[in-house]
Amino acid sequence: GAVVSQHPSRVICKSGTSVKIECRSLDFQATTMFWYRQFPKQSLMLMATSNEGSKATYEQGVEKDKFLINHASLTLSTLTVTSAHPEDSSFYICSARAVLSNTDTQYFGPGTRLTVL
Amino acid sequence: GDSVTQMEGPVTLSEEAFLTINCTYTATGYPSLFWYVQYPGEGLQLLLKATKADDKGSNKGFEATYRKETTSFHLEKGSVQVSDSAVYFCALSTRAGGGNKLTFGTGTQLKVEL
Repeated sequence: GAVVSQHPSRVICKSGTSVKIECRSLDFQATTMFWYRQFPKQSLMLMATSNEGSKATYEQGVEKDKFLINHASLTLSTLTVTSAHPEDSSFYICSARAVLSNTDTQYFGPGTRLTVL
Repeated sequence: GDSVTQMEGPVTLSEEAFLTINCTYTATGYPSLFWYVQYPGEGLQLLLKATKADDKGSNKGFEATYRKETTSFHLEKGSVQVSDSAVYFCALSTRAGGGNKLTFGTGTQLKVEL
């Protein structure tokens, strides 16, 4: 149980285009999903916390107009990188926390490798 | 603020060697502590966790004990295998402020050779 999927797993796009990444909890409902960014050989950096039915909470330094997050249902959150540029190339990872969970455990998706040419 | 400090890698060991990856933390309140593992090209997987002082988390031969007095959560395994080669992340979570945010260490790469 507790499987989180991401789609696509890899995407290559041209500079200036927008890219949407989906994060789904497959066998549980998640009121809260998190979006992270991971640079090569570095740790995960939390970008934003996404709550179902409300606006996402962004971490300091993360541009909310560039990284649009929508958590439309209890099993789906999307991250849209708008007007992507080469510096946005990174590994994007989502995680989900189950509804009514009394634990702190987050379940992670396999990640999406974004390359902006 | 909350922070996690891990030993720098890479750590290179021979198969069947003993593994220790050190992790210390600073946090307000009483955090839960985690070890996550990331295999090449994959996302993070929860390896083990401990939610209160003196708890021992264990999984797949790995163990870590929540030491409040030394603010540590060192990862150990008695006999590593080549398949254990991965990056290991120590993390903490507190319920203060914004909820259950995870704060990660920088990760320690483990390479196990035959």
